[in-house]
This record gives sequence, C-alpha cells and structure tokens, in this order.
Amino acid sequence: SQQGEEDPQALSIQEGENATMNCSYKTSINNLQWYRQNSGRGLVHLILIRSNEREKHSGRLRVTLDTSKKSSSLLITASRAADTASYFCAYSGYSTLTFGKGTMLLVSP
Amino acid sequence: ETGVTQTPRHLVMGMTNKKSLKCEQHLGHNAMYWYKQSAKKPLELMFVYSLEERVENNSVPSRFSPECPNSSHLFLHLHTLQPEDSALYLCASSQGGAGLAAYNEQFFGPGTRLTVL
Repeated sequence: SQQGEEDPQALSIQEGENATMNCSYKTSINNLQWYRQNSGRGLVHLILIRSNEREKHSGRLRVTLDTSKKSSSLLITASRAADTASYFCAYSGYSTLTFGKGTMLLVSP
Repeated sequence: ETGVTQTPRHLVMGMTNKKSLKCEQHLGHNAMYWYKQSAKKPLELMFVYSLEERVENNSVPSRFSPECPNSSHLFLHLHTLQPEDSALYLCASSQGGAGLAAYNEQFFGPGTRLTVL
C-alpha cells in the first residue's frame, strides 16, 4: 500500500494541552498536506509543506517534515474543545494526493 | 463554507435505482475530484478531472459514471449500486491543470451520505 499512516489512531487530551500527530509515507513527495474533518463533514485544508521545507507554522499549528525519514508531524498547541476532529495527512507525488487513515482527536473541556 | 457545494446531502437508494450526485465549485479552479470515504478506510480517490478531461480513474466499477460538463460542475451518476457502496462521497477542487493538481491544496464539499439498501 502507498497510503500514508497516521499515528496515533486516536488521541484524547484536556483543553490547554498540546496534541501531536505523526504521519509516515513511503514514496518521494512534492508536498505533504494536513486536513481536518469534523464528524461526517468535508475535509478542511490546514497546512501544506513542500518537500524542500522542514517546518511551517500557522496560528496554533506547527508542521514538521523529515524527508529522510519520510515522516511529518502536526502539533496543535493550547488545544480547545473545538479542535475535536479527525486529522489526515495527505502526500503528493506528481499527480494526486494519497490520504492516510487519520487520527481522531478528542479534546475534553 | 469552502466554496464547494454538493447535493443532495443525504441519499437513500435501492440497488435498482439510478441517481446522480452533483458538485459545484465557485472558486475558479480547473481540477475537480470525486472521493469515497468508507468507515475505517482511508479516503479513496475515484476520479480526477482536469480542464474538463478525465485524467484519472482509479479502477472504479462501471456502476459509477462521472461527468464534467464544465470546469465548475461535476456529477457522479449511480446505477445498480451494491450495499457496500454505502459511504460518504466527497467532491473537491483545486487549482492546477493535469500533473499540477496535487501541487496545491484541495477544497472539499460537505459530502453526500449515500445509503444503498
């Protein structure tokens, strides 16, 4: 399978804590993207990091990319109950995106 | 709102029915996609259209038939479906023509929840 793999599959934390999710992939990539999905809804794009970048920030989100290890991580700082959702990494070769199975994040008040 | 709309939001159909899913994007993008999302499975890419031409068909059964009449509209025609086709069907769009579509972020619609009885 060429799909990405997220780790952990599920994560439960308290509001205010940080959440870290990891993604591994198997092929050379052009970029890697992270998406969020609230239950039963469409995916929302969070951040895109290109293969020549190592770290990127957007608000409370921090993404790292290690192409030598074929892995990426998404850090959400100071989590809120509204961050409860599934988070997917998706990597791009040269034509289409390949999505992982996702990490379900539950943030309790 | 992402600028991508899908109708209907929910659909229940029998195995002998014929129905269509509709997707419309208001973002001026030139690539559109159909994905299938089943429980406990990764998002599966079904079809990609770039500049109104189908550029990818991921071994999808012929009971699913896509149509892209222009760069803003995408349809998925369904006929003689099976219960295992029950899933959330997501439409997405992005900027970029053939070979470039995956270089950019994709904007997703809210999905159609399909149940096949």
